[in-house]
Amino acid sequence: DQQVKQNSPSLSVQEGRISILNCDYTNSMFDYFLWYKKYPAEGPTFLISISSIKDKNEDGRFTVFLNKSAKHLSLHIVPSQPGDSAVYFCAVTGGKTSYDKVIFGPGTSLSVIP
Amino acid sequence: DSGVTQTPKHLITATGQRVTLRCSPRSGDLSVYWYQQSLDQGLQFLIQYYNGEERAKGNILERFSAQQFPDLHSELNLSSLELGDSALYFCASSAGPGTEAFFGQGTRLTVV
Repeated sequence: DQQVKQNSPSLSVQEGRISILNCDYTNSMFDYFLWYKKYPAEGPTFLISISSIKDKNEDGRFTVFLNKSAKHLSLHIVPSQPGDSAVYFCAVTGGKTSYDKVIFGPGTSLSVIP
Repeated sequence: DSGVTQTPKHLITATGQRVTLRCSPRSGDLSVYWYQQSLDQGLQFLIQYYNGEERAKGNILERFSAQQFPDLHSELNLSSLELGDSALYFCASSAGPGTEAFFGQGTRLTVV
């Protein structure tokens, strides 16, 4: 039973345009949400996070939006650059039974076309 | 550089054997996590330690075990290896629950 879903396995975007990556989770007890970026043969790199007390967090070209009622978060990359091409993982943590786990979604492979 | 060090980077071994993967967390981090990534699959959570104690367990096989030592480094032991255990094994560390985890470069295990 997947607790974290990323329903788009892949996404292609033109350079300069916006990339929107989506993530859905099942347990409303999760209270901290993260996005990681992964290049082939490297470990995931932390990108941006948001806690459940906020609905938006911005860091440069990256913005994460959280909709707690819909149990949905999204990552916006504006403008997209070819170097952003990677696999993006959504991750969640928190809640009584899973507080110490960081649970990852299956990932979305983003290709930014020059 | 995330500050998390994993050794070895690559490991090739035969079925039935036992291997130990090592992880040194970032300086000051008390939490260590182990993940398995098989063939373009997602990151499967295996186990987590906090300051030497096991805190959370995921889909870790009984043939696998881990521990965190007093100096906070961690080892993941994989025994009676099968072909299906071939994967990338990542270690991550964090300051504690509810904080971002930083990943090592991974150990690529190939079982032949």
